[in-house]
Amino acid sequence: DVQLVESGGGLVQPGGSLRLSCAAAGFTFSDYAMHWVRQAPGMGLEYVSVISNNGGRTNYAQSVKGRFTISRDNSKNTLYLQMDSLTPEDMAMYYCARAERGYTYGSHFDYWGQGALVTVSP
Amino acid sequence: DIVMTQSPDSLPVSLGERATINCKSSQSVLFSSDNKNYLAWYQQKPGQPPKLLIYWASTRESGVPDRFSGSGSGTDFTLTISSLQPEDVAVYYCQQYYNTPRTFGQGTKVEIK
Repeated sequence: DVQLVESGGGLVQPGGSLRLSCAAAGFTFSDYAMHWVRQAPGMGLEYVSVISNNGGRTNYAQSVKGRFTISRDNSKNTLYLQMDSLTPEDMAMYYCARAERGYTYGSHFDYWGQGALVTVSP
Repeated sequence: DIVMTQSPDSLPVSLGERATINCKSSQSVLFSSDNKNYLAWYQQKPGQPPKLLIYWASTRESGVPDRFSGSGSGTDFTLTISSLQPEDVAVYYCQQYYNTPRTFGQGTKVEIK
């Protein structure tokens, strides 16, 4: 079975940093583009970032560009999101999602993790 | 960026009745070279991650009940629940994957009337 398990969430002060991880299992990780999507409390889904299957291409939402860095280690079947200069507006549940194959950044998101909660507060 | 707009924001429906959710994209998500609409629908229940229901605008994901169907092309799409069941209470999102960023609609909350 496909599994995506996020970790690394927690409480951080404004201006601080966190690194989220998403451990993948049950599929050939290096075949798939991976995405991060976030959801602020009581709000909708917001795309954050994507990385191609080999890590050669990345893309970011304007709201996080220059502050967040997506990466992956295909030898460890793990996706990462380094988040710097965090603000209260970054407080959200962060989901990793697998994109079905066939395109640089994949297509629809067929599997999602359970999420990692990031709280930004003094 | 492609803006996805759903309507309505909230949809009260009686059990066994039809629920219809609309999604409009600010530009076409129909890719001419393969004649596919790059649009998906997701269901999110409280405390859970989103779950894929429909992709390519009308292809039902494996295991999704056939009371869920998707239709539309270009810029206008619809998710229909033919006979609402108690377990269908959730927020439903459309998403385009025609280009990056992969934008979502604001969500439609389906509840029991």
